[in-house]
Amino acid sequence: DIQMTQSPSTLSASVGDRVTITCRASHSISSWLAWYQQKPGKAPKLLIYKASSLESGVPSRFSGSGSGTEFTLTITSLQPDDFASYYCQQYNSYSYTFGQGTKLEIK
Amino acid sequence: EVQLVESGGGLVKPGGSLRLSCAASGFTFSTYSMNWVRQAPGKGLEWVSSISSISNYIYYADSVKGRFTISRDNAKNSLYLQMNSLRAEDTAVYYCARVVGYCSGGGCLGSFDYWGQGTLVTVSS
Repeated sequence: DIQMTQSPSTLSASVGDRVTITCRASHSISSWLAWYQQKPGKAPKLLIYKASSLESGVPSRFSGSGSGTEFTLTITSLQPDDFASYYCQQYNSYSYTFGQGTKLEIK
Repeated sequence: EVQLVESGGGLVKPGGSLRLSCAASGFTFSTYSMNWVRQAPGKGLEWVSSISSISNYIYYADSVKGRFTISRDNAKNSLYLQMNSLRAEDTAVYYCARVVGYCSGGGCLGSFDYWGQGTLVTVSS
């Protein structure tokens, strides 16, 4: 199975900050990577697919980049609604795997 | 509007069984691959199982292989997960999710664009 490693596990930031979350794959996954946002008690929400494509309705302050084994999710100008957990997911193989998650906290 | 609504969760003893359902509406269910994803309390997301649109391709995580069975009824717009030989470590919120992406010889792969609200399964004596 392809292992996905996210960093950091926790990130403290303030409203207006720019933050970056990294996801590394144990094998090349081309651009078959998605990013999700999850708030407590809610289902995950798709933000980015195919590494850098923004899902419809998602604010443009979210962006993704990378290919192969290294990927990043960047949020520019953090808003109060952005404090949540974020997960990457590979879909290069039929055995999907998620990263362990990054909790974005208010500093 | 796309909707996925899970049901069937509850408290079950170790070794017991449970069947989860996911009712889909607002899209042509029979043309999409579907998945089950779970999340243990306070933990991350774990993919459980996938089924292609006409059930010809089915995949399981190693952690549930041989114990769980995914199925679907396209006439009823419904997805199912039969869970047998349940263990304490199966305790989680179970989500159904729709796949949007690309199709190849082994089925369709992609990101999960719609999720249900989840149903809680608790395995405890």
